Amino acid sequence: DIQMTQSPSSLSASVGDRVTITCQASQDISNYLNWYQQKPGKAPKLLIYDASNLETGVPSRFSGSGSGTDFTFTISSLQPEDIATYYCQQYDNLPHTFGGGTKVEIK
Amino acid sequence: EVQLVESGGGLIQPGGSLRLSCAASGFTVSSNYMSWVRQAPGKGLEWVSVIYSGGSTYYADSVKGRFTISRDNSKNTLYLQMNSLRAEDTAVYYCARETSMDVWGQGTTVTVSS
Repeated sequence: DIQMTQSPSSLSASVGDRVTITCQASQDISNYLNWYQQKPGKAPKLLIYDASNLETGVPSRFSGSGSGTDFTFTISSLQPEDIATYYCQQYDNLPHTFGGGTKVEIK
Repeated sequence: EVQLVESGGGLIQPGGSLRLSCAASGFTVSSNYMSWVRQAPGKGLEWVSVIYSGGSTYYADSVKGRFTISRDNSKNTLYLQMNSLRAEDTAVYYCARETSMDVWGQGTTVTVSS
């Protein structure tokens, strides 16, 4: 199975800060990576697909980059409504494993 | 509107069985790759199973041999038959569409406890 190592596991930042989360795959997954946002008690929501493509309707402050084994998710200017847990997921090989998640809080 | 609605969760004793349903609207289940994902209390997301449009199915090792994914094209509904349930299967179960998982249901809670 492909292991997805996501870091940090949690972070605290101020409104307006740039926030970066990384995800490392245990083997080359090309660009077969998604990023999701999950708020407490809610289903996950797709933000980024194919590593760098913004899902329709998602604010442009969210972005993704990377290919191969190393990926980055960025919130360019953190907003209060961005408080959530973020997950990466690879879909290159079955099982389609998720990273452990990053909980983002406001400082 | 494109939507997924899960049902069928509940409290079940260890060793018991449960069937989850995921009713789709706004798109055709049989034309899409459909997955089940679960989330244990306070934990992260775990991929469980997938059924391809062609009918092929795959499972996480943790549920292989106990869970079965299927679909009813006439009802446009996805299912997850769960047998020999264990305490560690306690989770919120979500269905989701495609590899991008662009559409998710609201989740249904399964609690395995005596």
